[in-house]
Amino acid sequence: KAGVTQTPRYLIKTRGQQVTLSCSPISGHRSVSWYQQTPGQGLQFLFEYFSETQRNKGNFPGRFSGRQFSNSRSEMNVSTLELGDSALYLCASSVSLGTDTQYFGPGTRLTVL
Amino acid sequence: GIQVEQSPPDLILQEGANSTLRCNFSDSVNNLQWFHQNPWGQLINLFYIPSGTKQNGRLSATTVATERYSLLYISSSQTTDSGVYFCAVESTGTASKLTFGTGTRLQVTL
Repeated sequence: KAGVTQTPRYLIKTRGQQVTLSCSPISGHRSVSWYQQTPGQGLQFLFEYFSETQRNKGNFPGRFSGRQFSNSRSEMNVSTLELGDSALYLCASSVSLGTDTQYFGPGTRLTVL
Repeated sequence: GIQVEQSPPDLILQEGANSTLRCNFSDSVNNLQWFHQNPWGQLINLFYIPSGTKQNGRLSATTVATERYSLLYISSSQTTDSGVYFCAVESTGTASKLTFGTGTRLQVTL
């Protein structure tokens, strides 16, 4: 079974631009979560989607948004990019909500200049 | 929110040595996972272990939920074990939101 895939793997943007990242979960998995990893803050939860609905949200500004499609694929969007948004963005999928093993994709490394 | 502390923060071992990594958490949990992050950033599942003991080859893990800690044992370490090990927990009532510790950076030398 194929693992979690994320596209693109690398991105370079400039301040003020917006960016969209994509995540395809493992087949049969319906829950998708997003995390941001930076050297200063470590790994932090962004949000989680299940059945096309946001179920949980971390402590990030409204510039960070996401959505999930009927095939469970998810996208996250960051608008008005800031230098501090440079990070590794990781997507995880699990079969369902809660109490379940989460499997991570390879990540998208975003650099904001 | 729940706090997750990992120790030690850094560890250098010679190949063949054994090690124990610790994860303490501040509240009851539904889920606890150990991950290994490779140099390319990929988080690789090692164990899903909210309680009890599991073994997988040279790795084993034990979680004592009542005392709020988990241990990851690495035996006969190899250079390929190098990387960062993360403990992540999902506290009750936060469905699927994992809170990560700050990690243990392991370097295995020849």
